Amino acid sequence: GAGVSQTPSNKVTEKGKYVELRCDPISGHTALYWYRQSLGQGPEFLIYFQGTGAADDSGLPNDRFFAVRPEGSVSTLKIQRTERGDSAVYLCASAMGQGYYNEQFFGPGTRLTVL
Amino acid sequence: RKEVEQDPGPFNVPEGATVAFNCTYSNSASQSFFWYRQDCRKEPKLLMSVYSSGNEDGRFTAQLNRASQYISLLIRDSKLSDSATYLCVVGPSGSARQLTFGSGTQLTVLP
Repeated sequence: GAGVSQTPSNKVTEKGKYVELRCDPISGHTALYWYRQSLGQGPEFLIYFQGTGAADDSGLPNDRFFAVRPEGSVSTLKIQRTERGDSAVYLCASAMGQGYYNEQFFGPGTRLTVL
Repeated sequence: RKEVEQDPGPFNVPEGATVAFNCTYSNSASQSFFWYRQDCRKEPKLLMSVYSSGNEDGRFTAQLNRASQYISLLIRDSKLSDSATYLCVVGPSGSARQLTFGSGTQLTVLP
């Protein structure tokens, strides 16, 4: 079946611009996560949705970052006034439920480069 | 101190070797544990979950020591295809539902 998809796969932007990154989770998965991975590091948590609501946004680094999931499926991560330090791979994951051992399936990521 | 710490690596081993990765975690309330594998420029994929009793999947064995807050992964009879970065991961606990990743250990299996 179809896995998690993310678009675009690569995004190059200039400092100060606005970007949107899209995630299509696995059909039927109610939990959706955004992570950010910098070179040489493991993914770091940004935000978690259960259904339409953001259940935990404690990982968002500042108020330039915002995410939505209006219909409980597709999610968009929005970054305003991008900075060079925002350059990273942004990973989306989805899961069937919230249990401790529910597997999170990752998408291929969006590689964001801020010049 | 990082929440999940791993061997820095990289590990370069010959085919057929046995290699072990270690990891410690700081949150004693953590409830679930995993090893993920990440190939170069690809997404992380679940390799195996780690249970208190220890578990084995073919050439891979994972162990958990809750008292020491220590997780290990043993790979026997290494294959060239095992070359990847191995991420130690602590799962959801309490009200938090996210995964917490270590920085990863890079493994290269040499012919």
